[in-house]
Amino acid sequence: DSGVTQTPKHLITATGQRVTLRCSPRSGDLSVYWYQQSLDQGLQFLIQYYNGEERAKGNILERFSAQQFPDLHSELNLSSLELGDSALYFCASSAGGEGNYEQYFGPGTRLTVT
Amino acid sequence: DAKTTQPNSMESNEEEPVHLPCNHSTISGTDYIHWYRQLPSQGPEYVIHGLTSNVNNRMASLAIAEDRKSSTLILHRATLRDAAVYYCIRCWGGGFKTIFGAGTRLFVKA
Repeated sequence: DSGVTQTPKHLITATGQRVTLRCSPRSGDLSVYWYQQSLDQGLQFLIQYYNGEERAKGNILERFSAQQFPDLHSELNLSSLELGDSALYFCASSAGGEGNYEQYFGPGTRLTVT
Repeated sequence: DAKTTQPNSMESNEEEPVHLPCNHSTISGTDYIHWYRQLPSQGPEYVIHGLTSNVNNRMASLAIAEDRKSSTLILHRATLRDAAVYYCIRCWGGGFKTIFGAGTRLFVKA
């Protein structure tokens, strides 16, 4: 158990809909990361927050947005969903926001868009 | 190009050492090298990371070439529980600078 929790575990929704994925980091960790893992694209970094502020952006679509709240939990919002958004979404956390900190991953949310 | 290059798969016998190579020839001076592994149906798990010097922890050792263009993850005694996909990643500032590659799938034979 990494200490990172993600809800829900599974989500099935239709194209065009909007969903919110939630992540609670390990106790004391200030940084949260979001990743997407699909069969044909591998694991892709989406976005990072550090202590409530956006720190780095990866291949995140404009239809996706995220935020980190004062209690440090984070939410990833996916809108206008397409079939290709079906994937595993992982959240990770680290104590700091720099490259010398190890990341701890949650169990993931499996999103299925039908 | 921020990609790292790893062999698609490797095989080892149980209780033997395993050396998993990674090429990161375009690495810059401030990039850390991280290794993660992913077991089926689980999120990636941190293994080890380093900058220039070789590193050891309870899970593995990381040997970094002097020019930092390559590194090797060493599992000293492979167990069946070590069968997983191993990812080598460059990490700078926020997040991971590179897209995760396909990683190396390690098979461990009893």
